[in-house]
Formats: sequence, C-alpha cells, structure tokens
Amino acid sequence: AQSVTQLGSHVSVSEGALVLLRCNYSSSVPPYLFWYVQYPNQGLQLLLKYTSAATLVKGINGFEAEFKKSETSFHLTKPSAHMSDAAEYFCAVLRDNAGNMLTFGGGTRLMVKP
Amino acid sequence: DGGITQSPKYLFRKEGQNVTLSCEQNLNHDAMYWYRQDPGQGLRLIYYSQIVNDFQKGDIAEGYSVSREKKESFPLTVTSAQKNPTAFYLCASSKSRGREWFEQYFGPGTRLTVT
Repeated sequence: AQSVTQLGSHVSVSEGALVLLRCNYSSSVPPYLFWYVQYPNQGLQLLLKYTSAATLVKGINGFEAEFKKSETSFHLTKPSAHMSDAAEYFCAVLRDNAGNMLTFGGGTRLMVKP
Repeated sequence: DGGITQSPKYLFRKEGQNVTLSCEQNLNHDAMYWYRQDPGQGLRLIYYSQIVNDFQKGDIAEGYSVSREKKESFPLTVTSAQKNPTAFYLCASSKSRGREWFEQYFGPGTRLTVT
C-alpha cells in the first residue's frame, strides 16, 4: 500500500528565503503525486501534480516540485517566501488499483517571518 | 461558478446526537469523498462514492454513514457511535474517467464540535 511521509510538521522561514517542504512516498508502481495547500479554516487547493511526464513540475504561486525516483521523493520548493505563503501543505499519492483515491501525508505548517 | 459547497461552516452538537453534514457539487463529477482532518494527522478517508446509489467505506468509516441519491449530493451523518467526532470535515469530488480524472476538488469544510 502506498504511504506518504512529510518530514517536519512545522517549518519556519524568513520572508524572501528559500522554502523547502519535504515529501517521501512509497509506491509499487509509478506514482501520481500531488501537493495541496490549505489556508486556515478552508479547503484544500491543488498546487501542482506529477503524472509521469516531466520530473520538474511547476505549480501555482511560484511553487515547483521535483520527482526523484531514486530517492522516492517529491519535495516542494519556492525560491523566495512571501508572507502569503503561510499555510499548511499536504503531499498526497494516488493509490494503486483504487480508482482515484488519495493517501495524504500528515501535513507541514509553513510559517513565514517578516 | 462551479464548485463544492459544504454547510454549515461551524456546527455544534451535544454528545449522543446524530448530525448530518451537507456536501453539494455542481462540477458534474461522478466521484465524491468525505475526509476527516485532525491536527498532525493529515486527511483520512471516511467514505467515497464513484457513482450514484453506490458508496464504499474508506479507512475510518466506523461511526459514520452516507447516502448518494443524487449525483450532486453526498451527505455525511456522524452518528453517536463515533467516539471522537470533533474534527474538521472535508468533502471532495473528482471525475471518474477522462482527462485529469485523478484531480480532486475540495469544499471549504465543516468544523464540527461535539461537547
């Protein structure tokens, strides 16, 4: 069964600094991977997705993620943090042989200091 | 505008009462899902439905029930058998086939507090 691990439940960066949120997955087949963002008391919004095409995926709000099969990783990055990036971020993997259901990681809360 | 609506945004109930959370979508999606979110645990799947009049248990279905009588609607009932019902509940929908079939769209959530 697939699983997703997000290292660091809380990450703090200064405004303008690099954002790096870590995600490792396990899957027996080539995975479909996703990053979602959640602002306080709201639903989830898709940031970007990997679906076996280019390994470097660009998303909304200047975020991107790189799929590395050898490391089973799909880390999320942004070159320069903005105050509006403060939110919770979830990595997810599409389950094998289970239609279109997702398995989510535990989430990482990003805090941006002025 | 197409999207998913959940109502109410905040819900308060006394222990021992059943409560039903509403989820409606106008995206013409076949599949719908209910997730529960607790701090530090990510999202856990409660129930899902791939088509009208059919639904399956997810990973944490005990103490919950659903119905899918219409394509647009997928209400969730939190019963008195659910031991820890206080949580943030999220509804989602997706296509079941075709382009971008795997992409799930989420509603704004309902925060349920049971005392």
